[in-house]
Formats: sequence, C-alpha cells, structure tokens
Amino acid sequence: EAGVTQSPTHLIKTRGQQATLRCSPISGHTSVYWYQQALGLGLQFLLWYDEGEERNRGNFPPRFSGRQFPNYSSELNVNALELEDSALYLCASSPPGELFFGEGSRLTVL
Amino acid sequence: QKEVEQDPGPLSVPEGAIVSLNCTYSNSAFQYFMWYRQYSRKGPELLMYTYSSGNKEDGRFTAQVDKSSKYISLFIRDSQPSDSATYLCAMSPTYSGAGSYQLTFGKGTKLSVIP
Repeated sequence: EAGVTQSPTHLIKTRGQQATLRCSPISGHTSVYWYQQALGLGLQFLLWYDEGEERNRGNFPPRFSGRQFPNYSSELNVNALELEDSALYLCASSPPGELFFGEGSRLTVL
Repeated sequence: QKEVEQDPGPLSVPEGAIVSLNCTYSNSAFQYFMWYRQYSRKGPELLMYTYSSGNKEDGRFTAQVDKSSKYISLFIRDSQPSDSATYLCAMSPTYSGAGSYQLTFGKGTKLSVIP
C-alpha cells in the first residue's frame, strides 16, 4: 500500500513569491493534516482538511491556505513568502487512531 | 510557558544502554500521548501511544505517563545504532472523533547510539 506522498521534495523560492505544495493521502483516508517543522520550533499544526472542507487551522497567518480535492489530495499554498517560512512541510493522513506522515517538502526561502 | 517542553539534546549513548526521553506539559486537558520517531530526511512515524496515565510496553520500548506530574517518558532498552533518530512526543486532548490529530508536539530529542 502506498504511503502519503508529497511533492516537490525540495523547493527554493525568493521572498515575496508563492509556493504550492501537494499531498496525496493513503488510499481510503479522507482527512489530511499539514504541519510545519521549522528549525528549533518543532512541528506546528497548520491546517486540517476533511471531506473537502477546511475543519481547523493553527496559529498561522492567512497567507497560508490550501484546499482538498474530491480525490482527497490536498494542496498547501503559501503566499508572499518570508524568510521564516523556510521549513519542512509535512502532510499526514489518518483513519481514526493514527497519523501517517509523508516525507515532507522542504521549502527554502532566499 | 510552552504547552509541551522537550529537551532537544543531542543525547549520545553507547550501544546497549537504556535511554530515557522525557516531556512535560502544561495543558491538563491532554489525554492521548504519543511518541514519534523521525529519521533524518524522513517524516515522523508513530512508535507508541498511550491513553491517560500508566505504562505501555512494546518490545524494547516502554511509554510512561504520569498525569499528576504532567510528565511522560519513553524508555528504550538495549539501545541499538538503528535507534539513532529524533524522538518527538505529541499529545492531544481527545482520542476518538474528528480532529483528534491536531497534535501538539514537543521539539524533539536527537538521539545517537554509538556502536
């Protein structure tokens, strides 16, 4: 069974640009979670999507947004990139009982 | 005070040693406690979870929760070089139902087991 897949693996952008990260959950999982793992800060909850709807968001500004498609894949968009947005962005999907993480997309903002 | 505190290490031990990893938390609503292992350049993977206070053992790993002290621990017996990774504690107020995986994580402890 394929795990959670994320693309791209690495992304380099400059300040002010936009980044788009993608996630495909495990087949059958309808919930997708996005986390940011910045150096020295640990994993911070960003967004939760379930059945195509945004269910909750963490303490991040509105320039972090996303969506979930009918096939349950998800996209995270970060607008007006700032240097401190440089981080590993992790997507996870879940049935009840466990979060399964992808390997992440590393975003570097120069 | 952060909701979850975890010593980032790094922690270096010889092969075969017993390793103790710990987290403290301040939110008394947390009921569901997890330990994740994250190898370099990989996503976290669930190692163990416990619900409320008590101990849980799985092979060489033991997870312990003391809700009265707001303190959780992960013990690794007979540590192996393959245990070298970053260990993250995580917790949630709820176990079942939607949204229960908006986890609050510790910063992680980097462990190196030296052969």
